Amino acid sequence: DTAVSQTPKYLVTQMGNDKSIKCEQNLGHDTMYWYKQDSKKFLKIMFSYNNKELIINETVPNRFSPKSPDKAHLNLHINSLELGDSAVYFCASSQWGEPPDGYTFGSGTRLTVV
Amino acid sequence: GEDVEQSLFLSVREGDSSVINCTYTDSSSTYLYWYKQEPGAGLQLLTYIFSNMDMKQDQRLTVLLNKKDKHLSLRIADTQTGDSAIYFCAEISGANNLFFGTGTRLTVIP
Repeated sequence: DTAVSQTPKYLVTQMGNDKSIKCEQNLGHDTMYWYKQDSKKFLKIMFSYNNKELIINETVPNRFSPKSPDKAHLNLHINSLELGDSAVYFCASSQWGEPPDGYTFGSGTRLTVV
Repeated sequence: GEDVEQSLFLSVREGDSSVINCTYTDSSSTYLYWYKQEPGAGLQLLTYIFSNMDMKQDQRLTVLLNKKDKHLSLRIADTQTGDSAIYFCAEISGANNLFFGTGTRLTVIP
């Protein structure tokens, strides 16, 4: 069983469209995250959700909105896609307050905006 | 936690040791991590070190921590072609968030 799974793995879409990326974890973790990895491989945290509450938003445009229907899922919605949104998006999960295990990451979603 | 720095590239010959360096920013970080990312794949946790330790060894991996200088290193002994990947150091900072370094692309030459 995959611990953190993201769908789709690849997403190609036109500018201006609205798209969603789904993420599910079966580890029983209470915190989930979205990271963006750009073309230079730099990884930046976008959001984290703990017990269904947003606890961080790092200078991310409000076109991006995380939605968590339950603590096992954190989906990423992106409105009015722009060329600069092209990147690999990683979902991750962890158990709050238990840092030694770090985060468990999904395998990523490569978003290409044309 | 925003400016964790690493050298971008490292090349070594197969069988040699690799040393990947990292400078972190938050002196209150309790744990520091090394992650590996193979081409087209996600991030895999390699090892971590608690901030009150100077060194941790795990098979071919040795982590050294210099808290005074906020310097972390990862040594890979007997480097193999399968070790070719991008290696990220990361620190826990602030509200339990993981901040990553810029990544070091390790190329192992056969």
